[in-house]
Amino acid sequence: DGGITQSPKYLFRKEGQNVTLSCEQNLNHDAMYWYRQDPGQGLRLIYYSQIVNDFQKGDIAEGYSVSREKKESFPLTVTSAQKNPTAFYLCASSVGENNNNEQFFGPGTRLTVL
Amino acid sequence: KQEVTQIPAALSVPEGENLVLNCSFTDSAIYNLQWFRQDPGKGLTSLLLIQSSQREQTSGRLNASLDKSSGRSTLYIAASQPGDSATYLCAVRLYTGANSKLTFGKGITLSVRP
Repeated sequence: DGGITQSPKYLFRKEGQNVTLSCEQNLNHDAMYWYRQDPGQGLRLIYYSQIVNDFQKGDIAEGYSVSREKKESFPLTVTSAQKNPTAFYLCASSVGENNNNEQFFGPGTRLTVL
Repeated sequence: KQEVTQIPAALSVPEGENLVLNCSFTDSAIYNLQWFRQDPGKGLTSLLLIQSSQREQTSGRLNASLDKSSGRSTLYIAASQPGDSATYLCAVRLYTGANSKLTFGKGITLSVRP
């Protein structure tokens, strides 16, 4: 059953802690993305990766870090430097930049800072 | 900078109505446009993708049109059903090469009353 999985579904963090959100895909997609969604806002791009061992900052990368050691995995770390981390985080993937670039999304992780 | 606008933010219709959801964008030099559906607390589901060279795409009761010159796209839903209740987002990708990314509207929350 192909798709994108994100874990956990809900995550609670104390102020000052780093947390890592998981994103895995078995679609054999080259490109992966992390977005943040806030109530009443459009999705905003945090980081994206077009290929293993390479990634670029999106529009709101400050306070976040990523790695892309495997094609299937693109974990996102929310660091203590992120001032307002409470949000819904969505991971997506696409075949690659040389195709129609249709993006497919995971189910999301809701992060709440206590 | 590309801006994507979806108005109104919310819409309520009785079951059975045909309806049109609007999306406008400021930079007409787009590569493609994608319509998504999002149920509460869930990820995004891709509905239709229209390449810049296309005028429309159809899937079941859904039809999406694209008018690049006027910076508009519409999503037509025929014979609406309560199960169509969700938030509908449009996103555009600029034709700016390998590092182009999706820019999202804030979405239209649709409620179809039985």
